[in-house]
This record gives sequence, C-alpha cells and structure tokens, in this order.
Amino acid sequence: DAGITQSPRYKITETGRQVTLMCHQTWSHSYMFWYRQDLGHGLRLIYYSAAADITDKGEVPDGYVVSRSKTENFPLTLESATRSQTSVYFCATGGEVGTEAFFGQGTRLTVV
Amino acid sequence: KQEVTQIPAALSVPEGENLVLNCSFTDSAIYNLQWFRQDPGKGLTSLLLIQSSQREQTSGRLNASLDKSSGRSTLYIAASQPGDSATYLCAVGHGGFKTIFGAGTRLFVKA
Repeated sequence: DAGITQSPRYKITETGRQVTLMCHQTWSHSYMFWYRQDLGHGLRLIYYSAAADITDKGEVPDGYVVSRSKTENFPLTLESATRSQTSVYFCATGGEVGTEAFFGQGTRLTVV
Repeated sequence: KQEVTQIPAALSVPEGENLVLNCSFTDSAIYNLQWFRQDPGKGLTSLLLIQSSQREQTSGRLNASLDKSSGRSTLYIAASQPGDSATYLCAVGHGGFKTIFGAGTRLFVKA
C-alpha cells in the first residue's frame, strides 16, 4: 500500500514541450494538491481539487493545467514548459478541510 | 496576505540537547497549523497537526504549541538524536485550502 505515488521521480525536458506529472493515491481522499518547491520561495500551491471533476487555482497556476476524472489520480500538465518551471513538484492529499495532509516523494523537473 | 516565518533558518546542536523551533504568522484567522519534516531529496512527512481551537499536540519526543493571538507556534524536540537531522517546515492552513508554508529550519544534530 504505497499511499501516494508520484511519477516520474526525475524528468528533463526541453523548453516548449508538454510534460505531464502523475499523482496517484490509494486512500480515496477527497482533496488533492500540487505544490512546487523552490529555493527562496518555499512551497507554493499550484492547483488543488476537492473531488473528481472539481479543481481550483492556487497561488501560482499560470502555465499549468490539471484534471481529475477519477478520485485517485490528479495529473499536472505543463502545456509549454519554460525554464522558470524547473522545480521540485509535490503532490499531496487530504481527507477534509483542516485534516492532515500527506505528501508524495516529489518529482524533480528540469527544463533546459 | 499571510506570511509565515521560521526562525532560525538553520540550527546545529549536540546530540541529547532539547531544542525549540519557531514559526510565526501574520494573520491569526487560521484553520490549523501543521509541522512537517523533510529529508534531503524526499517528500514531506507530517509530524503534528494543531487545529485552531487547540493549544498543543504531542507525539513522542515532539511537542507543538499554538498561540493564535500572538501568531506563533513552537516545535519542541526533546533529547535530540542524529536521526532528527532534517528540515522542519510549518504550514498554516486557511479556508479554501490556502496553505502557506514557511521556508523551513534546517536542523543538524551532531553525534
């Protein structure tokens, strides 16, 4: 029982390419989140989802697209990758508002 | 706009020492506050979650306190061990899942 799994763990892509980062959870938690972690900025929320087919923007959504057709999956797509999107991306889940959040191991993305 | 500050940014202590990590926030209208641990190259592990109505939470050698009125939380680690070496993050939860993270405190416990 892995809980929350991100793939790939590492990715190098070129500027302008489309990239999709995957996130899968086995708990059936309602809420799922995508964060990026950068030196000097800490962790910032990109998008979150309260349930299947319900998504909303976080603090830094520009350049990213999400979908949630199934409760257990929450992919994050960079439509046209830019160097400024080089970062470590974390997916997280939570049961309800105010409950504990659980994080995946992260995806280190490098855009060259 | 909520701002979360963690002091110190880095801390080095000898094994066995008790220590306190600090987290301050500017907006007291929060849902909860969560402390995480992050090891190099790894994800975040939840340590303690304090709801806005609570004053403290304890887990083993860890104790976290929350004072909403002063915008402060502390994480107390008793009898520190080399295995406690990691970065510790506090995160403040608002409505609508606007969770704001601090930059973290890097802790090194010397054997």
